[in-house]
Amino acid sequence: AQSVTQLGSHVSVSEGALVLLRCNYSSSVPPYLFWYVQYPNQGLQLLLKYTTGATLVKGINGFEAEFKKSETSFHLTKPSAHMSDAAEYFCAVSASDRGSTLGRLYFGRGTQLTVWP
Amino acid sequence: NAGVTQTPKFRVLKTGQSMTLLCAQDMNHEYMYWYRQDPGMGLRLIHYSVGEGTTAKGEVPDGYNVSRLKKQNFLLGLESAAPSQTSVYFCASGQGGFTGELFFGEGSRLTVL
Repeated sequence: AQSVTQLGSHVSVSEGALVLLRCNYSSSVPPYLFWYVQYPNQGLQLLLKYTTGATLVKGINGFEAEFKKSETSFHLTKPSAHMSDAAEYFCAVSASDRGSTLGRLYFGRGTQLTVWP
Repeated sequence: NAGVTQTPKFRVLKTGQSMTLLCAQDMNHEYMYWYRQDPGMGLRLIHYSVGEGTTAKGEVPDGYNVSRLKKQNFLLGLESAAPSQTSVYFCASGQGGFTGELFFGEGSRLTVL
């Protein structure tokens, strides 16, 4: 079974500060991992994803995430926050085995990022 | 380039009424999904479809039905709405498999009084 835990439902940072959003996953098979962002009154859009290969993944808007198998983590970071980064962020895991979970993503509960001027 | 379009965007229902949410995608995707989003709960999968004419249950299917008669459309129905179904509903589509990206609509906000 697959599941995702996002530590901290709300994170606040000052503009220019480091952004760190935490995600831990549980998966019985090698995971594919995703971060999605949701701006107010909009649907979700893909920020970045890890499938195979390089464990440090770069996404849009300066975000990146590192897959750490030993820690079952996929934390999202950005060196310098911008006001426009204020949004809700969702971590998700997908199964790589065939069966009833084919084609499904499992989402965490989300982390609301607030950026102070 | 419309992507994923949901209609209606807002709806208020009384308990016991029925309604249908329509999702249309123009990307020729095989997979389509209906999620609901509630505060502090993230996104929970209601039903999904891996191709035209197929549907499958997700995590929270009770009280909902779906149909995928055409590849580009995925309908979500509430036969007898309940206040617990007050939520924001999102449709998504994708090429399938485990590495693919999902494309989301802008959401449909449903209130059941």
